[in-house]
Amino acid sequence: TQLLEQSPQFLSIQEGENLTVYCNSSSVFSSLQWYRQEPGEGPVLLVTVVTGGEVKKLKRLTFQFGDARKDSSLHITAAQPGDTGLYLCAGAHTNAGKSTFGDGTTLTVKP
Amino acid sequence: NAGVTQTPKFQVLKTGQSMTLQCAQDMNHEYMSWYRQDPGMGLRLIHYSVGAGITDQGEVPNGYNVSRSTTEDFPLRLLSAAPSQTSVYFCASIASVTDTQYFGPGTRLTVL
Repeated sequence: TQLLEQSPQFLSIQEGENLTVYCNSSSVFSSLQWYRQEPGEGPVLLVTVVTGGEVKKLKRLTFQFGDARKDSSLHITAAQPGDTGLYLCAGAHTNAGKSTFGDGTTLTVKP
Repeated sequence: NAGVTQTPKFQVLKTGQSMTLQCAQDMNHEYMSWYRQDPGMGLRLIHYSVGAGITDQGEVPNGYNVSRSTTEDFPLRLLSAAPSQTSVYFCASIASVTDTQYFGPGTRLTVL
């Protein structure tokens, strides 16, 4: 079983603070996705990283894929209450038809 | 373009009952998956399919059956519901080139 471990499991911060969420595995993935899920809804894709060492920025969110393609991080700058939600990472292998998900990080940003 | 649709949205079953959760996608994706999500946790793969007529087991397949007679539809059958199957069930359609998964809105199932 290929496991993806996310840390921290829970994170509660004040508006304006910065934070980093980690996603680690002993397995190599061909790509890694980050999703955000709000209560009562399905996960929605934020970003896909493919190349080892790749860094992608999406407004205040910065995603990095480890050089060995086994780990990834999500950094949020100046968090806002609208960032509140469950953040999930998922590792995939090309044409495998399936992904492995981490258990998620529940982020709460207080105004 | 509806994306991924799931029915029903909510369901309550008694132990031992059977039912089918419906999932359909209109994006012509070959790959589809079923996951369950328990409170405060990530997604666990139940079954997946890489094309019509081809299915395989995921991490937690026991108690569930699937079939894929068409590209669009991927129903999940609970054979004899148990309280341990109380969960939220998500169907996903996967763009094979990018591995991006598009999720349906989920089915919230309670087994009494």
